Amino acid sequence: NAGVTQTPKFQVLKTGQSMTLQCAQDMNHNSMYWYRQDPGMGLRLIYYSASEGTTDKGEVPNGYNVSRLNKREFSLRLESAAPSQTSVYFCASSTGGSAYEQYFGPGTRLTVT
Amino acid sequence: AQSVAQPEDQVNVAEGNPLTVKCTYSVSGNPYLFWYVQYPNRGLQFLLKYITGDNLVKGSYGFEAEFNKSQTSFHLKKPSALVSDSALYFCAVRDMNGGFKTIFGAGTRLFVKA
Repeated sequence: NAGVTQTPKFQVLKTGQSMTLQCAQDMNHNSMYWYRQDPGMGLRLIYYSASEGTTDKGEVPNGYNVSRLNKREFSLRLESAAPSQTSVYFCASSTGGSAYEQYFGPGTRLTVT
Repeated sequence: AQSVAQPEDQVNVAEGNPLTVKCTYSVSGNPYLFWYVQYPNRGLQFLLKYITGDNLVKGSYGFEAEFNKSQTSFHLKKPSALVSDSALYFCAVRDMNGGFKTIFGAGTRLFVKA
């Protein structure tokens, strides 16, 4: 039982390049989330998927797109990376419903130069 | 709008002493409240939550938190700190009627000195 896995662990991009961050969970959770973590700002929600087949914008969705590929996988795409997107990205999952805690992956550290 | 405040960037405590990490929140409806811990270069780990019922909730690693509705607070506590408790702690809130969006505080770094 690996929990939530993310790939890659580290990535360096040049401004304007694109990439996709992958996330998978093996806990049969309904809901999945993408956050970014910046110093002094806590975690901010980028997008979430309440259930398979649905996605919704979070607090900071601009510059990102997501795909809920199936119940297990939820990917985050940066179409044209900008230095402001330098951050640590976390994927999380939960059973579903607002009363349930989230389980986090180990994170992807992204630098955009 | 939902918000969470963790008024202390850093808390220092000696090993064996009690610790408190403060959190206040604002939601329009009834809150669901969570504490998470983050160790260096790791993802967040769930510690405990308040959903309803007893205002004192107990969680992992000997941590507990007290929900105070009148003060809109949810402070994290532990009777006797360990050096291994040193980490970054996040308070988070969801509005019971607000769906899936969770608002996290900025985090409080806890240093426990031997």
